[in-house]
Amino acid sequence: EPEVTQTPSHQVTQMGQEVILRCVPISNHLYFYWYRQILGQKVEFLVSFYNNEISEKSEIFDDQFSVERPDGSNFTLKIRSTKLEDSAMYFCASRLDNSPLHFGNGTRLTVT
Amino acid sequence: RKEVEQDPGPFNVPEGATVAFNCTYSNSASQSFFWYRQDCRKEPKLLMSVYSSGNEDGRFTAQLNRASQYISLLIRDSKLSDSATYLCVVNPRGNEKLTFGTGTRLTIIP
Repeated sequence: EPEVTQTPSHQVTQMGQEVILRCVPISNHLYFYWYRQILGQKVEFLVSFYNNEISEKSEIFDDQFSVERPDGSNFTLKIRSTKLEDSAMYFCASRLDNSPLHFGNGTRLTVT
Repeated sequence: RKEVEQDPGPFNVPEGATVAFNCTYSNSASQSFFWYRQDCRKEPKLLMSVYSSGNEDGRFTAQLNRASQYISLLIRDSKLSDSATYLCVVNPRGNEKLTFGTGTRLTIIP
């Protein structure tokens, strides 16, 4: 069964540093998402991406965040200057059309 | 009112018992509904979609009540492997973001 893959599985960075989280969505999917989950809290929407542009973003997704789909397969989330409160699990997800989301196994980001 | 609301639990249930969770949503125009399960420190995984007429998948039954804006999940003959957090997920407008509830934590006791 095709999967969404994310790398790295764990990223440790210092406050103020830039990080790029990488995702390879399922190949024929059209809609791409980033969600995050702070430890012990609920899964929160960050951004959705369709047709090579952001279709929706949440209040969390401020100017420090950006997404790119640089080629036909990768979908990246960049945080320009990380803060302590950015520490969380970041989940990439994709779907074909009006179908359920398929999640990757997440990148655990630790900002020190 | 929260967009998607669930009782966080925990629910501690003996093996073999039946357990039910409810979830309410605030947007009456919501179009799609799902139950996901999440194991500790893992990604959410789709358990089942929820259809208007209700649907069953083995020991799991999902129901939707649009008039009262709630969704339910029933687990029969619970197994130890059912221990997880169950996430109620709503698609408010169609092809955009899914909104997650906080999840209901279930522990099946031997």
